[in-house]
Amino acid sequence: DAGVTQSPTHLIKTRGQQVTLRCSPISGHKSVSWYQQVLGQGPQFIFQYYEKEERGRGNFPDRFSARQFPNYSSELNVNALLLGDSALYLCASSLVLAKNIQYFGAGTRLSVL
Amino acid sequence: RKEVEQDPGPFNVPEGATVAFNCTYSNSASQSFFWYRQDCRKEPKLLMSVYSSGNEDGRFTAQLNRASQYISLLIRDSKLSDSATYLCVVGVFTGGFKTIFGAGTRLFVKA
Repeated sequence: DAGVTQSPTHLIKTRGQQVTLRCSPISGHKSVSWYQQVLGQGPQFIFQYYEKEERGRGNFPDRFSARQFPNYSSELNVNALLLGDSALYLCASSLVLAKNIQYFGAGTRLSVL
Repeated sequence: RKEVEQDPGPFNVPEGATVAFNCTYSNSASQSFFWYRQDCRKEPKLLMSVYSSGNEDGRFTAQLNRASQYISLLIRDSKLSDSATYLCVVGVFTGGFKTIFGAGTRLFVKA
């Protein structure tokens, strides 16, 4: 079975642009979470979606938004990019919300110039 | 104060050593607890869930103390392949659900 897949793998943008990152969960998993990881730090929680509804939100500005589709795939959008948004963006899927054992994709590495 | 705090590391140990990682969390409403492992430039992977009764998986033992809000991971007979960053993870439900990672503790196991 395929694991969590993310696209694109790498992305280069300039300040002020907008970016959309995509994630497909493990088949049968209904929950998707998004994280931002900067070098030397642990992943920082951005959003969790379950059954297409937002179930959790971290301390990120409104420039960050996400959605989950009927097939449980998800998109993370970041508007008005800042240099500080450069990071590895990780998507994780889990079978059920309460259990919360999460399986991560390889991530999208975003560079903002 | 950070919501999840770990030993800053790095830990440098010889093969065969026993190493212990510590983690504390601040929110008493925390409901789920895990250790993840992350290799350099790779995604985090679940190492083990952590329960109050303690759990063991081969050379790895994890323990949760809810009263002290403390989580531990013990690695016995360290192998070169254990070299990685170990992340303490806490799930909190307070109206909405959040998953909080510690900053990680880097382990180097040397021959």
